[in-house]
Amino acid sequence: AQSVTQPDIHITVSEGASLELRCNYSYGATPYLFWYVQSPGQGLQLLLKYFSGDTLVQGIKGFEAEFKRSQSSFNLRKPSVHWSDAAEYFCAVAVSGAGSYQLTFGKGTKLSVIP
Amino acid sequence: GAGVSQSPSNKVTEKGKDVELRCDPISGHTALYWYRQRLGQGLEFLIYFQGNSAPDKSGLPSDRFSAERTGESVSTLTIQRTQQEDSAVYLCASSFWGSGLAARQYFGPGTRLTVL
Repeated sequence: AQSVTQPDIHITVSEGASLELRCNYSYGATPYLFWYVQSPGQGLQLLLKYFSGDTLVQGIKGFEAEFKRSQSSFNLRKPSVHWSDAAEYFCAVAVSGAGSYQLTFGKGTKLSVIP
Repeated sequence: GAGVSQSPSNKVTEKGKDVELRCDPISGHTALYWYRQRLGQGLEFLIYFQGNSAPDKSGLPSDRFSAERTGESVSTLTIQRTQQEDSAVYLCASSFWGSGLAARQYFGPGTRLTVL
């Protein structure tokens, strides 16, 4: 069965520092991978997605992620964190089952930013 | 344009009562999903609609949970005889069907359910 692991429950970084959030997946077929962000009181917003092609994908808000098939990873990065990036981040893999294309999510990583 | 909307935003109920949660998807989106997010957990898939049929109900945790959808619009998730473990944020998402696994799901703000 498919699964997504986000090993870090909570990360704290200083504003202006670089950021890397880890994501590992387990899925038998070619994965369709997503990163979502959830800010307090708001719905999930898509940051970026990977389906095929270039393994380094660019997203919104200055985020990028790199797909590494050999490591089954899809880590999210940002070179310089802003205070407004404080939120919870979810990695997800799209799987097909019983006629649907549901998302399987990791448990999330909460990001705190120190001014 | 309008996104996915859900109501109510918050619902507090007593154990044993029934609750209905509503989702209004983006107009034209044929696919609709319900997810549940319990405290400290990722989102769990509950049910999927294609139009008004539900080909995938594999995530519904028990027969107390049911959902319906009117045409390609509003969906209602009903939880009967609520239990404290049902306390969670219930999220709805919609997407175009044609993109398959690549389809972007647009999420609503969720309904926070608290069962006392």
